Amino acid sequence: GEEVAQTPKHLVRGEGQKAKLYCAPIKGHSYVFWYQQVLKNEFKFLISFQNENVFDETGMPKERFSAKCLPNSPCSLEIQATKLEDSAVYFCASSHYRGYNVEKLFFGSGTQLSVL
Amino acid sequence: GQQVMQIPQYQHVQEGEDFTTYCNSSTTLSNIQWYKQRPGGHPVFLIQLVKSGEVKKQKRLTFQFGEAKKNSSLHITATQTTDVGTYFCAGRQAGTALIFGKGTTLSVSS
Repeated sequence: GEEVAQTPKHLVRGEGQKAKLYCAPIKGHSYVFWYQQVLKNEFKFLISFQNENVFDETGMPKERFSAKCLPNSPCSLEIQATKLEDSAVYFCASSHYRGYNVEKLFFGSGTQLSVL
Repeated sequence: GQQVMQIPQYQHVQEGEDFTTYCNSSTTLSNIQWYKQRPGGHPVFLIQLVKSGEVKKQKRLTFQFGEAKKNSSLHITATQTTDVGTYFCAGRQAGTALIFGKGTTLSVSS
């Protein structure tokens, strides 16, 4: 597709429950990025993939968070045992290729996760 | 680790006034990008600057990259209500993830 598709748009979980978010990158884009936006401003980088391989996971919390990008499937971000502080908008972005002069990110519309 | 600071956090202007947001990095950047996020929306890419001292213009928007590649600015001339939103700079060191500033939220009154 011509846009990054994220589902669901909204997700409500009770504290301790699992949350799973999905992202379908733009067709032909080989890089996928996950960002967490808290308080509508601060973007925190979580993880990136080059195709199905983890490219950079320096932002991923060591516990509870995991992500995958499998062939022929949407990418996913999973949070085990959600906590109140996980409430945020989770944005997925994709880019065509990672070169010195090009890496424009195309963002999806985000998943608003509310942990109650 | 790498940090990207952006000021001001908020700016309110009257329609027709100019607006500038500034971005500073603690380290030299390989490139810097600017994004705009409308209220309730997602970030949309505006531009990328790569060269030291680079200046690029898009209609009323002027983007600059500092000589030392540690700072950047976005200037909007004669703001319009359609300029409302949050403007983010995002910088990258070679081989690292794109790090976003905290953004400058612009409001414009007519």
